[in-house]
Amino acid sequence: EAQVTQNPRYLITVTGKKLTVTCSQNMNHEYMSWYRQDPGLGLRQIYYSMNVEVTDKGDVPEGYKVSRKEKRNFPLILESPSPNQTSLYFCASSATGVGSNQPQHFGDGTRLSIL
Amino acid sequence: AQKITQTQPGMFVQEKEAVTLDCTYDTSDPSYGLFWYKQPSSGEMIFLIYQGSYDQQNATEGRYSLNFQKARKSANLVISASQLGDSAMYFCAMREAKRLNYGGSQGNLIFGKGTKLSVKP
Repeated sequence: EAQVTQNPRYLITVTGKKLTVTCSQNMNHEYMSWYRQDPGLGLRQIYYSMNVEVTDKGDVPEGYKVSRKEKRNFPLILESPSPNQTSLYFCASSATGVGSNQPQHFGDGTRLSIL
Repeated sequence: AQKITQTQPGMFVQEKEAVTLDCTYDTSDPSYGLFWYKQPSSGEMIFLIYQGSYDQQNATEGRYSLNFQKARKSANLVISASQLGDSAMYFCAMREAKRLNYGGSQGNLIFGKGTKLSVKP
């Protein structure tokens, strides 16, 4: 089954304790992206990757890191989490076909609470 | 300036009736795609329907149709015969196509702030 898998689904942690949210897709997609969703703000892009070893900042990259060492994986790293990073996080992937009609497939989300 | 605007924070519709969710967009790129996603209370993002800027006909997928008015830069989602399970947040999104060196294309997805639809029995 084609899917994007995020782990963990839920995490409560404390300020300053490094954490990683993993994301894996089995569709051989080149493009992967991380979003955060906050009430009233919709989804905002954190980082994206066009392919292996190619990453770039989205709209809200501060406080986050990513890496893309393999095509299927795109982990999101919070080196020193702070309470304002409490949010619902989504990983998504899509193919980079000709034109703009490739829908992004989303993971089920990770609800992160930073105390 | 916002690239995607959804002016209805919340809407109610009676079960079995049709409902239109508004979306306007702003782009100077001639090649772009418009998407609608559904997010039920369980949280996952579900792709519903796609409309390309060069498509001559409005997109349809089952009970979902997209009322695409290019000159007005609007891409409203129409849900026919609403069901209780349609109660959810709905997000409009746009991707501007950027040609890549190897011939493919990609552009980041920009989301509106969403419309919460509630279907009344």
